[in-house]
Amino acid sequence: DAKTTQPNSMESNEEEPVHLPCNHSTISGTDYIHWYRQLPSQGPEYVIHGLTSNVNNRMASLAIAEDRKSSTLILHRATLRDAAVYYCILRDVRGNSGGYQKVTFGTGTKLQVIP
Amino acid sequence: NAGVTQTPKFQVLKTGQSMTLQCAQDMNHEYMSWYRQDPGMGLRLIHYSVGAGITDQGEVPNGYNVSRSTTEDFPLRLLSAAPSQTSVYFCASSPLGLGSGEQYFGPGTRLTVT
Repeated sequence: DAKTTQPNSMESNEEEPVHLPCNHSTISGTDYIHWYRQLPSQGPEYVIHGLTSNVNNRMASLAIAEDRKSSTLILHRATLRDAAVYYCILRDVRGNSGGYQKVTFGTGTKLQVIP
Repeated sequence: NAGVTQTPKFQVLKTGQSMTLQCAQDMNHEYMSWYRQDPGMGLRLIHYSVGAGITDQGEVPNGYNVSRSTTEDFPLRLLSAAPSQTSVYFCASSPLGLGSGEQYFGPGTRLTVT
């Protein structure tokens, strides 16, 4: 199964942009790149996903490398409420594949936002 | 929509006791899964299901049973609780079939086994 690698922790000053990297060098052509975040004492929540093109939504932007072996989650202006653990995972787009069904989470990146 | 609900929120068990963690979703999602999260760790997949009557093992299935009799419900049973099963348990659901597969998570059940 394709796996992802993320830094254990990162810091950012409040109201500055944050770039959270993820490496997924063994990604397959049918893998979506998903980002989730987990606030303290809560379940993970979906942030954004992409396949090949960069994506924007109200929460964040996702920049995907041209070879798809890495991606970056961009929070445009970090707030204290963005302090969380951010997970980058891969999920096969085909619903009946093992890569869709067995989704594995790593340990993620713990983002600390400094006031 | 309530989304994914889990009960109970907290539970304390003695070693050897059994119990069932409940999970329900009202989004008509075919796919449901259970994860456990130990302190300071990521999520590990216990069991998952791709529809009523179909279940399979994840990374850490030992000591847990699941069944899926309806689309909405996916209970997780601890057969004989052990201190190593002290953890936070999350249930998740997502649509099946072609698509992005965004998962929706419940609020978690915090289980302590003494």
